[in-house]
Amino acid sequence: DGGITQSPKYLFRKEGQNVTLSCEQNLNHDAMYWYRQDPGQGLRLIYYSQIVNDFQKGDIAEGYSVSREKKESFPLTVTSAQKNPTAFYLCASRDGGPSGREQFFGPGTRLTVL
Amino acid sequence: SQQGEEDPQALSIQEGENATMNCSYKTSINNLQWYRQNSGRGLVHLILIRSNEREKHSGRLRVTLDTSKKSSSLLITASRAADTASYFCATDAGYNQGGKLIFGQGTELSVKP
Repeated sequence: DGGITQSPKYLFRKEGQNVTLSCEQNLNHDAMYWYRQDPGQGLRLIYYSQIVNDFQKGDIAEGYSVSREKKESFPLTVTSAQKNPTAFYLCASRDGGPSGREQFFGPGTRLTVL
Repeated sequence: SQQGEEDPQALSIQEGENATMNCSYKTSINNLQWYRQNSGRGLVHLILIRSNEREKHSGRLRVTLDTSKKSSSLLITASRAADTASYFCATDAGYNQGGKLIFGQGTELSVKP
């Protein structure tokens, strides 16, 4: 059963803590993406990776970090430097090569800072 | 940055009616995509239209693209209660931009039975 999984579904964090959100795909996609969604808003790009061991900052990378050690995994760490981390986080993947291809999304992780 | 602006922000219709959502964007694109999001869930791809296409159909969906006006519209015909969701347009500037998508703020559609 191919797809993208994200865990956990809900995550609670105390102020000052780092937390890591998991994203795994078995679609054999080269590119992976992390988005943040605030209530009633569209998605904003945090980081993306077009190939293993390489990634680039998106529009709102401050306070976040990522790694891409394996093709199927693209974890996102929300650091204590992120001032307002409460949001819905979505991971996506896309087949590599020329554009014109859709992104496939995971079910999301809802992060709440207590 | 959010390139797309969607109009209306919210739309409420009766089952069986048509729903039209509009999207405007600012820069040149390779293609434009429409996605659907049910509350609290991930996004699902609906349809992609390339910059050299003007209209595309998929089932009850019809998408138009006017690159001279930098705008697109999504028409859902004969709507159903199950179509209730948020709909987002997303622009793709091309592979040299990493295949990144820039999303609009979405239209929240409510279809009443």
